[in-house]
Amino acid sequence: DGGITQSPKYLFRKEGQNVTLSCEQNLNHDAMYWYRQDPGQGLRLIYYSQIVNDFQKGDIAEGYSVSREKKESFPLTVTSAQKNPTAFYLCASSPDRGSSYEQYFGPGTRLTVT
Amino acid sequence: QKEVEQNSGPLSVPEGAIASLNCTYSDRGSQSFFWYRQYSGKSPELIMFIYSNGDKEDGRFTAQLNKASQYVSLLIRDSQPSDSATYLCAVRHAARQLTFGSGTQLTVLP
Repeated sequence: DGGITQSPKYLFRKEGQNVTLSCEQNLNHDAMYWYRQDPGQGLRLIYYSQIVNDFQKGDIAEGYSVSREKKESFPLTVTSAQKNPTAFYLCASSPDRGSSYEQYFGPGTRLTVT
Repeated sequence: QKEVEQNSGPLSVPEGAIASLNCTYSDRGSQSFFWYRQYSGKSPELIMFIYSNGDKEDGRFTAQLNKASQYVSLLIRDSQPSDSATYLCAVRHAARQLTFGSGTQLTVLP
C-alpha cells in the first residue's frame, strides 16, 4: 500500500519548545517537500529536497530545519525561533522526472503552539 | 515574484450545473499547471495537470490552458454535492517548484 504518511495527525506544544514532524514515503519518489497552510490561504513552501543529503530553503524557511538522510524520510523540525508556528503542515513527494513533476501530499499534521 | 491568483469565492452552483474555476499566473516561464481539490480539514488531492495549450479532459473534469493569456481553468461538468471543496491551482516554474494560489471555495447546492 504505497503512500505518504505523516505523524502525528495533531500535535500540541508549549511555546519555546522544538518539535519534529515526521514524513515517510514508500513511493520511491526522489523529491520531497514541506509546506505550511494557514486558514484560508494557499500552501507556502518551507523546504524541499531533490536528493538524499541535500535540501534547499523554500519561501519561508526561517525557524525551521530539515534533514534527508534516507530517500524515504524527510522530517521537519519547528524550532522555538519560528514566531508563529501554529499551522497545518503538509509533506509532499514527487517523482521529479518526466515533464510534469506532479506532487502528492500526505494527510498533514496540525500543530498548535500555546 | 511568481504569483498565482484565484478568485477566493465562495462559488455556488446548483447540482448538475457546470462549475468554472479560473486561475491566472504571472511567470511566463511556467511550465506545468495543476489542480488540487482540498476538502475541509484534509490535505490536497491532485485532480489534473496540464502543460500544453488547449483542453485536457478526465471524466467530468476539463482543464484548459492558455499560455498566451496566462490563465488556466478547471471545468467540472454535472457538479455533485461531493464536489464541494476548495480547489487549489498550482504552477510549476523552471526550477521545478510549485507556487499555489489561495484557492477557490466551491459549493454545489443539492
